[in-house]
Amino acid sequence: DIVMTQTPLSLSVTPGQPASISCKSSQSLLHSDGKTYLYWYLQKPGQSPQLLIYEVSSRFSGVPDRFSGSGSGTDFTLKISRVEAEDVGVYYCMQGIHLPIFTFGPGTKVDIK
Amino acid sequence: EVQLVESGGGLVQPGGSLRLSCAASGFTFSSYSMNWVRQAPGKGLEWVSYISSSSSTIYYADSVKGRFTISRDNAKNSLYLQMNSLRDEDTAVYYCARLEVTLIDYWGQGTLVTVSS
Repeated sequence: DIVMTQTPLSLSVTPGQPASISCKSSQSLLHSDGKTYLYWYLQKPGQSPQLLIYEVSSRFSGVPDRFSGSGSGTDFTLKISRVEAEDVGVYYCMQGIHLPIFTFGPGTKVDIK
Repeated sequence: EVQLVESGGGLVQPGGSLRLSCAASGFTFSSYSMNWVRQAPGKGLEWVSYISSSSSTIYYADSVKGRFTISRDNAKNSLYLQMNSLRDEDTAVYYCARLEVTLIDYWGQGTLVTVSS
């Protein structure tokens, strides 16, 4: 089974400053179709998860461009260029190399200093 | 607007059963595969089950295989999860979530299942 890890598990950020979250998978997420099935979700307090990034670096509809994803193979990063108060919550990476079976990372809690 | 509304959660004793429902609207339900994902209190997300648009393909997480059954009724725009032989560790908020080809794009607000004596 693929295991997803995230670092750090918690992050306190000053508004306007950048933030970065790392996600690593125990196996390559590069599919034979050439796509890499790595996603990022944000779960705001009291809400359902919302999709931010799919296939490593594509922003979902309506997601602000301060969010960006990068990486390949087993190592991935979510970056927020300038954190805003509305960005607080728990960020999860998720893998889908064996679609439609998914595995989530443990989550990274982001709050504002 | 895509809407997914779960219902059917509640308190059940260990070994008991519960049936969750998810009512879909705002999209052509019969064209989309669907999933159940759960989240134990204060914990992370765990994928539970998948069903294809025609119900021809179904998958389960090992943790629920043999105890849970996913189904759907495209005429009623509804997704279901029949949960039997419930255990303490099944306590969680259960979300239904739409699969847009290769990504889970929309989630419901969730329904809480509590397994306790």
